[in-house]
Amino acid sequence: DVKVTQSSRYLVKRTGEKVFLECVQDMDHENMFWYRQDPGLGLRLIYFSYDVKMKEKGDIPEGYSVSREKKERFSLILESASTNQTSMYLCASSNTREQFFGPGTRLTVL
Amino acid sequence: GQNIDQPTEMTATEGAIVQINCTYQTSGFNGLFWYQQHAGEAPTFLSYNVLDGLEEKGRFSSFLSRSKGYSYLLLKELQMKDSASYLCAVKNGAGSYQLTFGKGTKLSVIP
Repeated sequence: DVKVTQSSRYLVKRTGEKVFLECVQDMDHENMFWYRQDPGLGLRLIYFSYDVKMKEKGDIPEGYSVSREKKERFSLILESASTNQTSMYLCASSNTREQFFGPGTRLTVL
Repeated sequence: GQNIDQPTEMTATEGAIVQINCTYQTSGFNGLFWYQQHAGEAPTFLSYNVLDGLEEKGRFSSFLSRSKGYSYLLLKELQMKDSASYLCAVKNGAGSYQLTFGKGTKLSVIP
């Protein structure tokens, strides 16, 4: 079974803090993705990566950056957290077909 | 641009059949996915259609018409545990691994 894990289920941070969300997959997948999910807006793609050290912007990259130093790990970075980044963050990985999702991190920015 | 439409909410009775529709207008198309997401949990893969027609998997079936930009997910013999959100997603093009998601349909199954 594919396993995608995320570093935290719940996280509370203050405005202006730098925030790191970590995602690890154990199936040697090439592609990894970061989404945020908000009520009424659905899943929106922030960034994705199709190889180590490669990254592509998704639909809403502003205020975020990513890092992929190893194939199994994809990190999402909020350089200076703001209250409008309070959301559920979901990581996913895939090879050729479906994406497999991690359990999500519910981030609250105060 | 990308646009995927599905109903926001639906209610159905335990034991019944429900059909959740999805229409899409996207700049490319290389397959359509359905995911199930229980409240507070991650989405899980249900089905994938890339050719026109019906794909059946147990109580769940998914249909695709590429010419109409239309898909549906059919759930038979509804159970209480089927109460969840159902997400329609389109793979944008050959060689792309990106998915564009609809906003999801929240299905409530009542006794």
